[in-house]
Amino acid sequence: DIVMTQSPDSLAVSLGERATINCKSSQSVLHSFNNKNYLAWYQQKPGQPPRLLIYWASNRESGVPDRFSGSGSGTDFTLTISSLQAEDVAVYYCQQSYYTPQTFGQGTKVEIK
Amino acid sequence: EVQLVQSGAEMKKPGESLKISCKASGYKFTDYWIGWVRQMPGKGLEWMGIFYPGDSDTKYSPSFQGQVTISADRSITTAYLQWSSLKASDSAMYYCARQGNSDGYSYGYDHWGQGALVTVSS
Repeated sequence: DIVMTQSPDSLAVSLGERATINCKSSQSVLHSFNNKNYLAWYQQKPGQPPRLLIYWASNRESGVPDRFSGSGSGTDFTLTISSLQAEDVAVYYCQQSYYTPQTFGQGTKVEIK
Repeated sequence: EVQLVQSGAEMKKPGESLKISCKASGYKFTDYWIGWVRQMPGKGLEWMGIFYPGDSDTKYSPSFQGQVTISADRSITTAYLQWSSLKASDSAMYYCARQGNSDGYSYGYDHWGQGALVTVSS
């Protein structure tokens, strides 16, 4: 199975400051045919299902605030929250869908400092 | 509006069978894969498998192969996850989710059910 490793496991950021979460896959998830990275980011708040934020590594899902952005290619990816808001407190997961079984990272908990 | 509505919480005993459902609406059911994700209490997300209602193609995680069965009834646009013999370790929240598709290329899970809590205890 492809292992997705997120870092850090948790981080505390002041309101308005930048939060950065990294995700590393054990194999490349870049599809050479269409040049898309099959890497998505999700946000999960307590008691709620996950919410898709970013797909194909850098495409923002409709309705997601533009303070959320994704970057990276191949095996190394980053989710950035440019200016942390109180409502961004959540656990964030990366996920690869290039290989079966699809796999998630272990999650990164984001809190307010 | 795309919606995935899951069946309610279940309390079962070890050894019992169970089938939970995920009713889809607001889109063409046969055009999108539906996946199932487990979340054990206080833990992360685990991908269980995925089903394509268009041709019933099914893929399982090796961790769940043989432990669960994923299926769907196209006539009522409903996907299912079932167990033939539950264990206490199956206690978890289970989510169904639609895998997005753009120009024939799949991407993340863009719509999720609300989750179904399964508790297995003697």
